Amino acid sequence: ELKVEQNPLFLSMQEGKNYTIYCNYSTTSDRLYWYRQDPGKSLESLFVLLSNGAVKQEGRLMASLDTKARLSTLHITAAVHDLSATYFCAVDIEYSGGGADGLTFGKGTHLIIQP
Amino acid sequence: KAGVTQTPRYLIKTRGQQVTLSCSPISGHRSVSWYQQTPGQGLQFLFEYFSETQRNKGNFPGRFSGRQFSNSRSEMNVSTLELGDSALYLCASSLDPGDYNEQFFGPGTRLTVL
Repeated sequence: ELKVEQNPLFLSMQEGKNYTIYCNYSTTSDRLYWYRQDPGKSLESLFVLLSNGAVKQEGRLMASLDTKARLSTLHITAAVHDLSATYFCAVDIEYSGGGADGLTFGKGTHLIIQP
Repeated sequence: KAGVTQTPRYLIKTRGQQVTLSCSPISGHRSVSWYQQTPGQGLQFLFEYFSETQRNKGNFPGRFSGRQFSNSRSEMNVSTLELGDSALYLCASSLDPGDYNEQFFGPGTRLTVL
């Protein structure tokens, strides 16, 4: 059974600081996704990481994937209040015959950025 | 391009009733997946439909079912509602999970079971 663990689950930080959210998963996969969810809202796709060593950046967020370590990180640079949200990582496994199982999500990191 | 739409947005039902939720995927997307989100269990995969066929199913009881129509629109049904079925139900669509499974989520249907 695929398990996805995120840490920390709660993070309160000040604007201007840097921090990293970690996502570990239990089964070989090279397909990892990061999503953002604002309170009462749906999930917004942030990054799709599809190979070992993949790195993607958007604004103050940067995501990377190490498939050998089964680890992805989401790094926040010089945090601003608007980045306050819950961040989820998710993993799936492609079937050899095509198609894929549903996404298995981590429990989410609730991020609060204070002025 | 319109995003994923879900109807209704909110529902209140009582135990024992049944409910049907609807999802329209992004135009051109052929795969529709359903997820349940609760504070205790987080986001859990319910099932995925592609070309009107259920390809994958999560670990949920048979009370949860779904279907997909030829235009890729999907419905999910929950029969004999229980209090624990109260949740946000999210629908997501993707082009074809065989390539990669970036899923785009709808706004969700918040179901409350009394």
